[in-house]
Amino acid sequence: GENVEQHPSTLSVQEGDSAVIKCTYSDSASNYFPWYKQELGKRPQLIIDIRSNVGEKKDQRIAVTLNKTAKHFSLHITETQPEDSAVYFCAASNNAGGTSYGKLTFGQGTILTVHP
Amino acid sequence: NAGVTQTPKFRVLKTGQSMTLLCAQDMNHEYMYWYRQDPGMGLRLIHYSVGEGTTAKGEVPDGYNVSRLKKQNFLLGLESAAPSQTSVYFCASRDRGRGYEQYFGPGTRLTVT
Repeated sequence: GENVEQHPSTLSVQEGDSAVIKCTYSDSASNYFPWYKQELGKRPQLIIDIRSNVGEKKDQRIAVTLNKTAKHFSLHITETQPEDSAVYFCAASNNAGGTSYGKLTFGQGTILTVHP
Repeated sequence: NAGVTQTPKFRVLKTGQSMTLLCAQDMNHEYMYWYRQDPGMGLRLIHYSVGEGTTAKGEVPDGYNVSRLKKQNFLLGLESAAPSQTSVYFCASRDRGRGYEQYFGPGTRLTVT
């Protein structure tokens, strides 16, 4: 099955700095890579996602890059703000049909702290 | 449009007791999933369903059973709760078509003593 590794486990930055979180996956059939932000006691919230036919996607201060050859993808947050502090999870799934059914495999999470 | 809802929000069980967690969605989604989240870990898939009347095992299915008698509901049962099942349980649903995004419920915090 799929295995997703996420690094670093904790990340501390100053407000205004950039933050980068990296994930690797094992199943070359995976074709969907979402990133979730989870605040304490809340549900995971999708912040950005990318499909395997795209190399990069950007949404304001957040961007995701995907390298299919190396099987890794990264989340980039620019101009970080204290409200970006949360746990971030990457995930991967295969939505190509058959018996995959889009089941998500999650990374272990990154605790991001943005200091004012 | 409530999205995905979960009942109950919190529960404390004694070892050996049973309970059922209810997940309901009003988006007419075909696929539904149950995940558990333990401290310091990502979510792990317990069971999933790709349509009414069908269920399948995920990564960590032992000790749980599920049923999908109606398209909008996905039930997760614990027949004999164990302390190792103390966790936060999230339900999610997804459209079968081109939309890959999973929509998560608010979670159920379960403690087994």
